[in-house]
Order: sequence, then C-alpha cells, then structure tokens
Amino acid sequence: EAQVTQNPRYLITVTGKKLTVTCSQNMNHEYMSWYRQDPGLGLRQIYYSMNVEVTDKGDVPEGYKVSRKEKRNFPLILESPSPNQTSLYFCASKAGQGTEAFFGQGTRLTVV
Amino acid sequence: GQQVMQIPQYQHVQEGEDFTTYCNSSTTLSNIQWYKQRPGGHPVFLIQLVKSGEVKKQKRLTFQFGEAKKNSSLHITATQTTDVGTYFCAGKRGNNRLAFGKGNQVVVIP
Repeated sequence: EAQVTQNPRYLITVTGKKLTVTCSQNMNHEYMSWYRQDPGLGLRQIYYSMNVEVTDKGDVPEGYKVSRKEKRNFPLILESPSPNQTSLYFCASKAGQGTEAFFGQGTRLTVV
Repeated sequence: GQQVMQIPQYQHVQEGEDFTTYCNSSTTLSNIQWYKQRPGGHPVFLIQLVKSGEVKKQKRLTFQFGEAKKNSSLHITATQTTDVGTYFCAGKRGNNRLAFGKGNQVVVIP
C-alpha cells in the first residue's frame, strides 16, 4: 500500500530537548516536504527536498532542520524546541511536477 | 511570493443544502489542486485542474478553474454529514512547491 509514515503520532516534550520526527514514503517519490498546521493559518511549508541531498527552506524554516540521505526518508529535527513550535506537523511526498501530494497521518507535538 | 486566498474561512451548512468555497490567486496558476482534511485526519487529494475554464465533477462535487487561471471554486450539492472537514486549494510555486490556502472549514448541521 502506497503510504507516507510519520512517527511518532503524538509527542509531548520539554523546551530545549532535541527531538526528531521521522517520515518515510514507499512510493519512490523524489519530492518530500514538511508542513506545520496551526489554527487559522492553514498549511505552512517548513522545508522541502527535491531529491537526495537536495533540501531547501520553505516559508517557516526557523528552528528546524532536515536531512535527505536516502530517497525514502526525510526526518524533521528540532534541535532546541520551544513552545511556539507546538503544532500539528505533516510530512508529504509527491512524484514530480503537477502530481498530487500524499500526506502522512500527522504528528501532534506539544512543547512545554 | 505567490499567495492563494480562500474564502470563506468557515462555513456552517445545513444538511441537504448546497455550498461553494472559493480560491483566488494574485498570479496566474499553472494548475490548482484541491484537498480535503477530515477532522483529526490528514489532507487527502481530491482533484487537479489544469486548463483554463476547466470543469470537473466527482459525484456531488463540481470543481471549476477560472478562465484567467487565477481562481477556482468547489461546489458541493446536497451536503451530507460526510462532507464535514476542511477544504484546501493549492497552487504550484517554483521548485515544484505547493502554496496552500488557509482552508475552508465546513461544519454540517444535521
């Protein structure tokens, strides 16, 4: 089954404690991205990757890092989480230009 | 950068009635995509429109792309409780990115 898998689904952490949210897709898609979703603000892109070892900032990259060492995986790293990063995070992948995006189930992160 | 605006942001719709949600861009779009997110779920692709003036139907859903390719609409007839959720439109940006609107949250009143 074609899918995008995020882990964990829920996470509560404390300010400053490094964390990683994993994302994996089994569709051999070149393009992957991370979004955060906040009430009233819709989906805002954090980082995206057009292929292995090719990543770039999205609209709200501050406080986040990513890596793309393999085609299937695109982890999101918060080196020093802060409460304003409390949000619902989605990973997505797509095959190429003009194709649909497939979203993961989401990760609800709370930073206290 | 390119922005995609959606109106309205919220709608309460009586079950059985029709409603429309709109998507507007300040620049010409090469294509527009629509997604639906159920409460507690993740966005799921509904459709993509590419041609100027294109109209596509999926059962009770009618999608339209404007002649100038700067706006789009989604019209749902005979609303059902299963139509509850947030509807997003997304336009293509540079580097194969998608610019999502803020979404239209739809509540269905039984």
